[in-house]
Amino acid sequence: DIQMTQSPSSVSASVGDRVTITCRASQGISSSLAWYQQKPGKAPEVLIYAASSLQSGVPSRFSGSGSGTDFTLTISSLQPEDFATYYCQQVYSFPLAFGQGTKVAI
Amino acid sequence: QLQLQESGPGLVKPSETLSLTCAVSGGSLSSSYYYWGWIRQPPGKGLEWIGSLYSGNSYYNPSLKSRVTISVDTSKNQFSLKLSSVTAADTAVYYCARRDPERGYSYAYWGQGTLVTVSS
Repeated sequence: DIQMTQSPSSVSASVGDRVTITCRASQGISSSLAWYQQKPGKAPEVLIYAASSLQSGVPSRFSGSGSGTDFTLTISSLQPEDFATYYCQQVYSFPLAFGQGTKVAI
Repeated sequence: QLQLQESGPGLVKPSETLSLTCAVSGGSLSSSYYYWGWIRQPPGKGLEWIGSLYSGNSYYNPSLKSRVTISVDTSKNQFSLKLSSVTAADTAVYYCARRDPERGYSYAYWGQGTLVTVSS
């Protein structure tokens, strides 16, 4: 089974900061990775799919990169509405797996 | 616009079977193009993939496989989750969701989630 490891588990940042979250797969998953944003009490929403494709309607300050085992989610200029928890997920093979999450806080 | 809505008991006793249904509107479960699945999230914790249904085949998380069944009722356009022999560790918000090939097989559509508490 493929394990996903996210880091950091939490990050404190300010509005306007650049934030980078990393996700590592225990084996190669090509570009089969998605990033989700979850706000308290809400279902997750996909931000990035296929490692680097921006979901329709998602602001361009979000970007994803990587392939194989190492992936990155970058928020170029943090906005107040971006304070949330972010998860990566490998969609390469069953069983699917999520990273443990990264909480972005003020 | 595709919408998914979970329903089922909010309280289940230990050792009993948790049963949830996901009603789908704005799309058809009869299509074999999409994966339909369940994900859960214990309070204050991360997301856990439970399983998926695709073209008549089921795929389950190995850690839950012996207790989980996901099935579909195309006549009602809904799919279901059954989790047997529950314990307090199964207390979680349960989400149904759809994976989209057009979006890299990510979970592009989610239900709002339903909290299930396991307690006597």
